[in-house]
Order: sequence, then C-alpha cells, then structure tokens
Amino acid sequence: AQSVSQHNHHVILSEAASLELGCNYSYGGTVNLFWYVQYPGQHLQLLLKYFSGDPLVKGIKGFEAEFIKSKFSFNLRKPSVQWSDTAEYFCAVNSNTNAGKSTFGDGTTLTVKP
Amino acid sequence: KAGVTQTPRYLIKTRGQQVTLSCSPISGHRSVSWYQQTPGQGLQFLFEYFSETQRNKGNFPGRFSGRQFSNSRSEMNVSTLELGDSALYLCASSLVAGAETQYFGPGTRLLVL
Repeated sequence: AQSVSQHNHHVILSEAASLELGCNYSYGGTVNLFWYVQYPGQHLQLLLKYFSGDPLVKGIKGFEAEFIKSKFSFNLRKPSVQWSDTAEYFCAVNSNTNAGKSTFGDGTTLTVKP
Repeated sequence: KAGVTQTPRYLIKTRGQQVTLSCSPISGHRSVSWYQQTPGQGLQFLFEYFSETQRNKGNFPGRFSGRQFSNSRSEMNVSTLELGDSALYLCASSLVAGAETQYFGPGTRLLVL
C-alpha cells in the first residue's frame, strides 16, 4: 500500500528565509508525485508535479521540488518565502495504474512571519 | 474553463440522517474522485469513478456510496450519518483515469450534530 510521510507538521519562518519541506513515500512501483497547497479558506491547488524526466521540477510561485528515487523523497523548496506563502502544504503520490486514488501526507502548516 | 464545482458548499445534518453531495467536473474530464478531509485523519480517499464505473474504493464503511452520471457529474451519498462524518468532502476531476493530474473543487463542509 502507498503511504506518504511529511516530517514537519508546523513550520514557522520569517520572510525571506529559505524553505524545505520533507516528503517521503512508500510504494513499490512507478509513482507520480505532487505538492498541493491550501491557502486559508481556499481549496487545494496544485503547486507542482513529477511524472518522469528531470527530477528537479519547478512549480508556481517560485516553488521547486526534487525527486530522489533512491531516498523515496520529494522535498519541496523555496529560496525565499513571503508572508503570502502562509498555508498548508500537502505531498501526494499516485501510480500510473491508480492515478485516481492519491495518497496524501498529513500536511505541513507553514506560517511566515512578516 | 470553469473549475470543479461542488454543491452545496455547507451542510448541517443530524445523526441518523442521510446526505447527498454533488460534484461537477471540469468540462471534458471523465474521472472523478472523492476525498474526506478531517483535522485528525487528513485527506483520505473515498472512491473514484470513470465512465460511470467505480474504479477504486477506499477504506470507508458501506454507508458511503457514490455514482457517476453519463455527463461525468458525480454524487456521493452518506447514509445514517454519524458525528464522525463531519468533514470537508473534496471532489477532484481529471481528464481520464491513469497518469493524470487531479484538479480539486472547493469542497462541501458537512457538520453532523
């Protein structure tokens, strides 16, 4: 069975600090990896995704993530966070054969202090 | 294109009642998945429909059911509501079943009293 582990439940940063959110997954086959963001009062939005190819993927709003297959990891990074990045971030995984069934991590709440 | 729409947005029910939630996918999308989001359990997969057929089902009791219509719109039903069913129910659509990105709707917030 698939599982996703997000290491940090709550991260507090000051503006301009660098961000790295950890995500590890467990699955034996080929996976598709996602990071979603949920801003306060808004619905889940896709930040970035990895299906294949270059393991360093760039998403919206300056976010990027690196897929390291040997470590089963897909960490999210941003060099300099802004107050508007305050949100909950979810890592998710699905497989080519079961793409409609995504497994989500528990989420990481990011608070950016102005 | 319009995004995924869900109705109603908010709902209050009492224990023992049943509820039906509706989801309209993005135009042209044929796959619809449902998730339950709660503070304690996070986001959990309920079921997925493609071409009016259930493709996958999560670990939820039989009180939770769903269906998909020929126009790809989907409904989920919860019978004999329990307090623990209070949650945000999210619908996600994708173009086809397979390696596709899911696009999420705003959710229906259900409160069971």
